[in-house]
Amino acid sequence: QVQLVESGGGVVQPGRSLRLSCAASGFSFSTYGMHWVRQAPGKGLEGVAVISYDGSNIYYADSVKGRFTISRDNSKNTLYLQMNSLRAEDTAVYYCAKKCPGTVAAGPDFWGQGTLVTVSS
Amino acid sequence: DIVMTQTPLSLSVTPGQPASISCKSSQSLLHSDGKTYLYWYLQKPGQPPQLLIYEVSNRFSGVPDRFGGSGSGTDFTLKISRVEAEDVGVYYCMQSTQLPPSFGQGTRLEIK
Repeated sequence: QVQLVESGGGVVQPGRSLRLSCAASGFSFSTYGMHWVRQAPGKGLEGVAVISYDGSNIYYADSVKGRFTISRDNSKNTLYLQMNSLRAEDTAVYYCAKKCPGTVAAGPDFWGQGTLVTVSS
Repeated sequence: DIVMTQTPLSLSVTPGQPASISCKSSQSLLHSDGKTYLYWYLQKPGQPPQLLIYEVSNRFSGVPDRFGGSGSGTDFTLKISRVEAEDVGVYYCMQSTQLPPSFGQGTRLEIK
């Protein structure tokens, strides 16, 4: 069965950096694109970044462009989100999610449980 | 950017009765590959979202057949034919025709 386990969240001061990881198992990680989606406390869902199966296609939300970097290591079945210059408005639960089979435009099917990032001084 | 607008934002439904949620996009979701990348998710309290419907009208594995999706272009609908207690939570539509994906505001379903 598909398992996605996020880690790396925590409390960080504004302007600092954090790297999230998502360990994948139960499917052929290297053949699926992946998503990062976040949810601020008590709010809705926001797509943060998307990466194709081989890392050749990457998309970012305008709110994180230039500050966040999505990457993957297919040899380790792991997805990453490097977050720099963090702001209070980046406070959220960050979910990694596996893409549905198909083209680069396919949306997520399976989601991890999420990791909480709190940006506060 | 494509803006997704859901209505209503909340629903209170008696068990066994139907429910319907509308989702409108600011641009057509028809992709150049001929598919429409419109999805519906349910987020139950304290859980991550779970996929219900993909590409407008296809039920995901294990999703009961009381859930159905329809629509095209910019107008989409999720219908629950007979609401059950386990259907409570927040429903989101999402488009991924244009990346990164964008979500509706969410519709909270409660049981009367």
